[in-house]
Amino acid sequence: NAGVTQTPKFQVLKTGQSMTLQCAQDMNHEYMSWYRQDPGMGLRLIHYSVGAGITDQGEVPNGYNVSRSTTEDFPLRLLSAAPSQTSVYFCASSPERRQPQHFGDGTRLSIL
Amino acid sequence: SQQGEEDPQALSIQEGENATMNCSYKTSINNLQWYRQNSGRGLVHLILIRSNEREKHSGRLRVTLDTSKKSSSLLITASRAADTASYFCATDGNAGNMLTFGGGTRLMVKP
Repeated sequence: NAGVTQTPKFQVLKTGQSMTLQCAQDMNHEYMSWYRQDPGMGLRLIHYSVGAGITDQGEVPNGYNVSRSTTEDFPLRLLSAAPSQTSVYFCASSPERRQPQHFGDGTRLSIL
Repeated sequence: SQQGEEDPQALSIQEGENATMNCSYKTSINNLQWYRQNSGRGLVHLILIRSNEREKHSGRLRVTLDTSKKSSSLLITASRAADTASYFCATDGNAGNMLTFGGGTRLMVKP
């Protein structure tokens, strides 16, 4: 049982490039979410999904896109990378909105 | 905006001592959760306390909740060097959204 798997673990991009951060869970959880973690800021919600085909914006959605075509996968797309998007990105899943979340180990992204 | 705010931001203690971290939040909640994050890793859920509960225990962890003061505390008793990590509280007060996390307390336990 792998839990929540994020790939890649590290990535360096140039300003303006696009990329997709992958997130997959094998627990059949309906709820999935993406957070970014910056020093001293805690975790901030980017986008979330309450089931396949349903997504919504969180606190800091600008510059990011998501889709949820299957229960297992919830990719996060950076449309045109900016240095302000340098951060650690975490994907999480839970069976219900208010239940404990299971986190992946994060993707460390640097934008030059 | 962050719903939960932890205090202190950093805490350094000796092995064997107790560690207390506090969390304050702004809106009504259904439950409050505490998470732990080891360096370079994702968050791991520790304990959930519902709004109608005042205290909850799990091993060496004790969590209290005071909804009238909109605050919670996490007590780690008889700390160990392996408890060194960041600790976050998270609340579910925002309708329609997922959990909202505070900025965390960085705990260092010296052997």
